[in-house]
Amino acid sequence: DIQMTQSPSSLSASVGDRVTITCRASQSVSSSLNWYQQKPGKAPKVLIYAASSLQSGVPSRFSGSGSGTDFTLTISSLQPEDFATYYCQQSYRTPFTFGGGTRVEIK
Amino acid sequence: QVQLQESGPGLVKPSGTLSLTCAVSGGSISSSNWWNWVRQTPGKGLEWIGEIFHGGNTNYNPSLKSRVTISVDKSMNQFSLELTSVTAADTAVYFCARGGRGFDYWGQGTLVTVSS
Repeated sequence: DIQMTQSPSSLSASVGDRVTITCRASQSVSSSLNWYQQKPGKAPKVLIYAASSLQSGVPSRFSGSGSGTDFTLTISSLQPEDFATYYCQQSYRTPFTFGGGTRVEIK
Repeated sequence: QVQLQESGPGLVKPSGTLSLTCAVSGGSISSSNWWNWVRQTPGKGLEWIGEIFHGGNTNYNPSLKSRVTISVDKSMNQFSLELTSVTAADTAVYFCARGGRGFDYWGQGTLVTVSS
């Protein structure tokens, strides 16, 4: 299986901050990397697919970059509704695997 | 707007079979998408269980493969999950999701508890 490692596991930030979350794959996943946001009691919501493509309806403050094994999700200016847990997922090879999550909390 | 809705028992006895159905509305299950099951536990996070295409092709997570069956019912526009020989470790929130641009549509999730 391809292991996905996210860092940090949690972070505290203020509204307006720039936030960066990283995800590393145990082997190359090319650009088959997706990012999700999950709020308590809800299903994950895809933000970024194919490493850098913004899902329709997702605010442009979210962006993704990377290829191969190293990826980044950036929130350019954190908004109150962005406090949530974020997951990366590789869709390069089954079994599809998720990172352990990054919880973004209010400072 | 595609919508997915999971249904099934919320409580299953140990050694029993977990059975869930995902009803798809607002779109056809015969589209060019794979249909997935994902579960979430506090301890193991998000775990992909498997996927099915409308023609019946499936892919399963090897960690569960011996116990999992995913099937599709095109007439009802739904797909289903069966997980046999369940233990407490299978207690989780189970989601169904459409494979598209990532997993782009999800059900709301259903909690299944394995307990006697």
